[in-house]
Amino acid sequence: QVHLQESGPGQLKPSETLSLTCTVSGGSVSNGAYYWNWIRQPPGKGLEWIGYVYYSGITKYKSSLKSRVAISGDMSKNQFSLKMSSVTVADTAVYYCAREPLIYSSSSYFDFWGQGTLVTVSS
Amino acid sequence: EIVLTQSPGTLSLSPGERATLSCRASETISRAFLAWYQHKPGRAPRLLIYGASYRATGIPDRFSGSGSGTDFTLTIIRLEPEDFAVYYCQQYGSSPQTFGQGTKVEIK
Repeated sequence: QVHLQESGPGQLKPSETLSLTCTVSGGSVSNGAYYWNWIRQPPGKGLEWIGYVYYSGITKYKSSLKSRVAISGDMSKNQFSLKMSSVTVADTAVYYCAREPLIYSSSSYFDFWGQGTLVTVSS
Repeated sequence: EIVLTQSPGTLSLSPGERATLSCRASETISRAFLAWYQHKPGRAPRLLIYGASYRATGIPDRFSGSGSGTDFTLTIIRLEPEDFAVYYCQQYGSSPQTFGQGTKVEIK
């Protein structure tokens, strides 16, 4: 069974950089059959896809977040990470990491998720 | 991007009853690329259905999905106590993937 676990600071001040790591067990981030994603859910709002990294280093981001987001993988640690710069209170959310099987070359569903980590941005 | 509207917002039912959840898209979802997830507080979301009607591995057959185009349905026949949760739909036929706001199935 694949297990994903998010980790990172839970509190940030506006303008700081959010850094989260997802540790994968029971599967490998170097497996070319999957994308490795970050998704978030602000309090009381819906889920929002942020972006993914592929084992080759290819990334894709939601266009509205692209200028502030970077996702990278660390094959040696079987982890992938999210960095989001210049955070504001609007970035307060539960952040999830999730695995996405490749379907041809299009987007797909998420077959395994982490339980999420709350990040609060407040001055 | 495609907007998904789920209804109702909350469904109050008793164990053993049937739950019917709706997910309506703002435009046609190509190839019925729609998934459903179950989410309980503090837990990882769980994939139930993909491709509108295919159950994910290990999902009981009391869960079924149907629909095409812009209208999709998740049905849970004979609710079990562990089925009370929030359910989300997600489309992946168009980039970016988007999610519905969720339907909470609560114990009546």
